[in-house]
Amino acid sequence: GNSVTQMEGPVTLSEEAFLTINCTYTATGYPSLFWYVQYPGEGLQLLLKATKADDKGSNKGFEATYRKETTSFHLEKGSVQVSDSAVYFCAFHSGTYKYIFGTGTRLKVLA
Amino acid sequence: DAGITQSPRYKITETGRQVTLMCHQTWSHSYMFWYRQDLGHGLRLIYYSAAADITDKGEVPDGYVVSRSKTENFPLTLESATRSQTSVYFCASSEGTGVSYGYTFGSGTRLTVV
Repeated sequence: GNSVTQMEGPVTLSEEAFLTINCTYTATGYPSLFWYVQYPGEGLQLLLKATKADDKGSNKGFEATYRKETTSFHLEKGSVQVSDSAVYFCAFHSGTYKYIFGTGTRLKVLA
Repeated sequence: DAGITQSPRYKITETGRQVTLMCHQTWSHSYMFWYRQDLGHGLRLIYYSAAADITDKGEVPDGYVVSRSKTENFPLTLESATRSQTSVYFCASSEGTGVSYGYTFGSGTRLTVV
């Protein structure tokens, strides 16, 4: 069935370190892919998206590339900041109303 | 202010009581959703609505009731609260269901059932 698998957290990094959060999906067809971010005490916010294979979504220094061959959408950032500490959710949307979310990956960035 | 607001922000209730969580959006988005967020489960869809007076079940609807008499409001009612319904509840809205549409989420309601 449809599912999203994310790396388990927490991921703890020092400021200015390189970030990768892995995400793979199982879906029929070619879904649109999303990353959402949840800051402490807040709801989820759309971070970036990609709607077709080889598309790269980017926002606030974060990037993710839609890889159809590996069914992956890994999130990367070249230099993280303390303010990036949050929970990151990978998700896909398969053309219906419904998102499939991963379980989330908590990122802690230390000064 | 424009946006999507949930109330209350925090709620403690007793087992067996009825409790209603409110959700209000100001964009006139057609689609609205209720999710619960639990450790190890991520977000799970409870109910959704495609328009006023149109609602349908999601993955985990048991024990919940929704209504949508007006486009902007989508309350979620726990008819007889149980401890397993202790969770953080998020309301979301969307302009449409096309593959490029994202959701806008409210800030959540943390519900504790004692």
